[in-house]
Amino acid sequence: GAVVSQHPSRVICKSGTSVKIECRSLDFQATTMFWYRQFPKQSLMLMATSNEGSKATYEQGVEKDKFLINHASLTLSTLTVTSAHPEDSSFYICSATQGYEQYFGPGTRLTVT
Amino acid sequence: AQSVTQLDSQVPVFEEAPVELRCNYSSSVSVYLFWYVQYPNQGLQLLLKYLSGSTLVKGINGFEAEFNKSQTSFHLRKPSVHISDTAEYFCAVSDLMKTSYDKVIFGPGTSLSVIP
Repeated sequence: GAVVSQHPSRVICKSGTSVKIECRSLDFQATTMFWYRQFPKQSLMLMATSNEGSKATYEQGVEKDKFLINHASLTLSTLTVTSAHPEDSSFYICSATQGYEQYFGPGTRLTVT
Repeated sequence: AQSVTQLDSQVPVFEEAPVELRCNYSSSVSVYLFWYVQYPNQGLQLLLKYLSGSTLVKGINGFEAEFNKSQTSFHLRKPSVHISDTAEYFCAVSDLMKTSYDKVIFGPGTSLSVIP
C-alpha cells in the first residue's frame, strides 16, 4: 500500500528556536496533504490543508505565521514551527490523499524545553 | 460543518467478550466515514471505511461497523476482543466531493481497555 513518511520522528528543541517537520508520500503523488496535532490523550485536531503550489488553508485558531506550511511538490509538504514554545509540544501527524484514499504518516513528537 | 461524537470516552471489556464503540456524526451532505486505531505513541491505522454500498463494513482485525443514515451513526463492533485490541479508537467523517473528499474531522476518541 501507499506509504507516507515523516521526518524526524522525534525532536527536542529549545524555546525560541524553529523546527521543520517533513511529510513525504513515498510512492504516490498526493493531491492534498493535511497537518494535524494531537495533545496527550486527546483527538487529532486539523491544523491546515495543503495543496501543491498554493497557499495552505488554516483552520480557525491556528496561527499561520507560527505554523508555516510549504507544499513544494506533489510528494513533499513541510511544517515549520517558528519560535517554538513549550505549549507547542505535541504529536504532529500529516496525511496525504490520492482521490478517495488518505494515508497517514507515523507522526512526529515535538518537545520544546 | 461536520462533527463527530463518540459517546464513550473509556470502554473496559473482558477478554473474549463482544464490544461496541459508538459513533454519531452530523453533516449536511453525503459523507465518508472511517474508524482508526491508535496504539500508544504510534500513528493511526485504518480499521475500516464506508463510502457507499453495503451498510455493513468489515475491516481488519475482526472489526466491523454499520452505517445507519437515519440515525447518523457508524458504530464499531467486534464479537470477541483480545488483549491486543487495547488502544485508542477514533471515528472520523469527511464530506464527500465529486472526485475526492474534504478534510477529515476526528471524534474525541474512545479508549478501549481489554481486561484479562
